[in-house]
Amino acid sequence: ETGVTQTPRHLVMGMTNKKSLKCEQHLGHNAMYWYKQSAKKPLELMFVYNFKEQTENNSVPSRFSPECPNSSHLFLHLHTLQPEDSALYLCASSQEYYSYNEQFFGPGTRLTVL
Amino acid sequence: AQKVTQAQTEISVVEKEDVTLDCVYETRDTTYYLFWYKQPPSGELVFLIRRNSFDEQNEISGRYSWNFQKSTSSFNFTITASQVVDSAVYFCALSEADSGSARQLTFGSGTQLTVLP
Repeated sequence: ETGVTQTPRHLVMGMTNKKSLKCEQHLGHNAMYWYKQSAKKPLELMFVYNFKEQTENNSVPSRFSPECPNSSHLFLHLHTLQPEDSALYLCASSQEYYSYNEQFFGPGTRLTVL
Repeated sequence: AQKVTQAQTEISVVEKEDVTLDCVYETRDTTYYLFWYKQPPSGELVFLIRRNSFDEQNEISGRYSWNFQKSTSSFNFTITASQVVDSAVYFCALSEADSGSARQLTFGSGTQLTVLP
């Protein structure tokens, strides 16, 4: 595997379900990100982990819970979601969390909440 | 607050035409970084270029070129002799850096480019 991988690629869940999104980067990076991409809206940064420590939480509802067990893996735990949470969830990584670092993105998980 | 505007929501061109994607940004920082990313239908954003605020030289990479104009706060992207494979959503993004600490990327809303055969 190379680059940034995300599983599953598609997920349909009910509002009472609990599911998790997984991201893995094979680039030796130290920062990992979760973004939400909704139709007709700019990418929204949700969480940032730098050297396994959460450094940003952009007022994300508690029904989204991130986990970063090591610098290569990032999870997003989902529970009691709302239909408006349906979106493409993108994971990214960069060398470090710093302004000039380009980010490398995974293909995303297309989430549909019924 | 930093802001990125991509006024062109959708552009359609015929193959081999040149096309320019506009990006206008707002920032109070003197040090900042500008980026372009491409998002093909497969979903992942692909990094294309980074430019820092002190380097106003235009850059060319194959059929791609970028024009950075601090005077107009613009960082436009031109594709020469467009191809069908260039069809994608293109995002411009800004990261401020005056504080020296990590700063978030602010993305524009993207421009959907469709290149017709």
